[in-house]
Amino acid sequence: RKEVEQDPGPFNVPEGATVAFNCTYSNSASQSFFWYRQDCRKEPKLLMSVYSSGNEDGRFTAQLNRASQYISLLIRDSKLSDSATYLCVVNPPSASKIIFGSGTRLSIRP
Amino acid sequence: EAQVTQNPRYLITVTGKKLTVTCSQNMNHEYMSWYRQDPGLGLRQIYYSMNVEVTDKGDVPEGYKVSRKEKRNFPLILESPSPNQTSLYFCASSLGTGGTEAFFGQGTRLTVV
Repeated sequence: RKEVEQDPGPFNVPEGATVAFNCTYSNSASQSFFWYRQDCRKEPKLLMSVYSSGNEDGRFTAQLNRASQYISLLIRDSKLSDSATYLCVVNPPSASKIIFGSGTRLSIRP
Repeated sequence: EAQVTQNPRYLITVTGKKLTVTCSQNMNHEYMSWYRQDPGLGLRQIYYSMNVEVTDKGDVPEGYKVSRKEKRNFPLILESPSPNQTSLYFCASSLGTGGTEAFFGQGTRLTVV
């Protein structure tokens, strides 16, 4: 089983829709989680951290479900500019590396 | 401005010709790493470094070398490039590995013919 798994998509949704995707992780002791956004052929950039209590930033909501070992990203009122690949990141405890999921591709259509 | 700088951005080379991709960060970060990104495979870690003179293999280290003689620099060396190393490469740095944001360079698109 991969350490971090994401549905690769693509998710193709109309502008204004709400879309959500998950990321599962295998190490139950993992302690920090993030969502990154990557535009085509560009570097990944931090979108938001995922806290145990959840995290909301405007139209974006990130949540952590420790019992089921997944994190989620919800995008409300999606915009054309939200089209990108979304990468989840998991930091296992005492790990010497940051583990990236392979990304979920999101495409917003007019 | 806080940044990670990679050079070159684009490179086309021939099989067997040694090359170095440079990476430099100005944030005094301890942790630096190299990734390659290929379609359908996501980001795969090549090598990482926890601090000066401390480097270790990631998931796909074969055919690559790195060094960390100074905190700010972490070059990636391909001693004898092969076509299967054609990829998009990213350097990243962070304060540590836990709970800290990773900053990425703009990427190096390498083609080996």
